[in-house]
Amino acid sequence: AQSVTQLGSHVSVSEGALVLLRCNYSSSVPPYLFWYVQYPNQGLQLLLKYTTGATLVKGINGFEAEFKKSETSFHLTKPSAHMSDAAEYFCAVSEYGNKLVFGAGTILRVKS
Amino acid sequence: DSGVTQTPKHLITATGQRVTLRCSPRSGDLSVYWYQQSLDQGLQFLIQYYNGEERAKGNILERFSAQQFPDLHSELNLSSLELGDSALYFCASSSSGGMMADTQYFGPGTRLTVL
Repeated sequence: AQSVTQLGSHVSVSEGALVLLRCNYSSSVPPYLFWYVQYPNQGLQLLLKYTTGATLVKGINGFEAEFKKSETSFHLTKPSAHMSDAAEYFCAVSEYGNKLVFGAGTILRVKS
Repeated sequence: DSGVTQTPKHLITATGQRVTLRCSPRSGDLSVYWYQQSLDQGLQFLIQYYNGEERAKGNILERFSAQQFPDLHSELNLSSLELGDSALYFCASSSSGGMMADTQYFGPGTRLTVL
């Protein structure tokens, strides 16, 4: 069965600092991997996804993630945090491209 | 704006009642997915419809049912409501049946409160 573990329910960084949100997955087949962001009182918005091919995936708003099969990880990074990045971030896995299995989410706080 | 619309935004009802949540997918999308977001269970997949037919089922209770109509809008029916059904219910849509991991676009959600 698929599962996702997001390390750290809350992450706090200073504005301009590196953002690193961790995600590990479990899947019995080569997975599709996603990062979504949720702003307060809004739906989820796709940041980026990995399907096949290049393991370093670039997304919107300067975010990127690297698929590491040997580590079963798909960590999300951004070189320099901005106040507008404060939100909740969800990592998700899909084995067959349809239903998404989400992690518990990580709330990112950006300090000025 | 994802292009997915959900109505109503908020719903407050009593235990034992029945409610219907409505979702209109993005123009041209054939798949509709329903997810439940609650504090204790997190984000959970409930069910997927593709072009009117059920495609995949997740942790959906027997008291819950869904359908997708010929115009591709979908409804999620929740009956015999319990306090624990209070949650945010999201609808998402994608262009195909999902086999190619096409992007799922999420609506703003319906917040259900059961008193």
